[in-house]
Amino acid sequence: DGGITQSPKYLFRKEGQNVTLSCEQNLNHDAMYWYRQDPGQGLRLIYYSQIVNDFQKGDIAEGYSVSREKKESFPLTVTSAQKNPTAFYLCASSGPGQGAGETQETQYFGPGTRLLVL
Amino acid sequence: AQSVTQPDIHITVSEGASLELRCNYSYGATPYLFWYVQSPGQGLQLLLKYFSGDTLVQGIKGFEAEFKRSQSSFNLRKPSVHWSDAAEYFCAVGAGFTGNQFYFGTGTSLTVIP
Repeated sequence: DGGITQSPKYLFRKEGQNVTLSCEQNLNHDAMYWYRQDPGQGLRLIYYSQIVNDFQKGDIAEGYSVSREKKESFPLTVTSAQKNPTAFYLCASSGPGQGAGETQETQYFGPGTRLLVL
Repeated sequence: AQSVTQPDIHITVSEGASLELRCNYSYGATPYLFWYVQSPGQGLQLLLKYFSGDTLVQGIKGFEAEFKRSQSSFNLRKPSVHWSDAAEYFCAVGAGFTGNQFYFGTGTSLTVIP
């Protein structure tokens, strides 16, 4: 089955530690995204990548870093500079639809990783 | 600028009752519209999408949505709610020349009373 996997499901970070969240997709999508979700605040875009070896900052990129070395993978590192990292992190990818002339892509999401601070 | 507004933060309905979740968008060109559902601790699942054509769109789990250009709305409906429909619902608009920019509303939390 095609889809997006995120690991781990839960992640604990100690003070001053960098942690990396994994995101893998086998949908053959070019674009991938990382969102942060806090209670009552909806989704906020951290980083996105439209193609391999390229990525752009989203609305809340400070304290985060990403890489896109492979089409299938878009790992997110939460650095020690991120002072309030406790949140639910969602990875997504987007790809073209099946309709003729359909330029707009559809976005699909992984199951999420919950990051907690010890 | 593109934006999506979901006016209702929280809605409570009785099981078996009908449901309508509101979504208003702001976008200068033809909008591409989506509804997603999120169960607690889970990722977002696509319910339905509107790109063009018939303004009444059918989705999974018995949901439908109607695009009204004159009202800049894309409201989600279900004739009879089940307890398993309790979740967070997000409306989104797709935009941009590349077709891969997305803007989300802040979500509506649905509680279903037995």
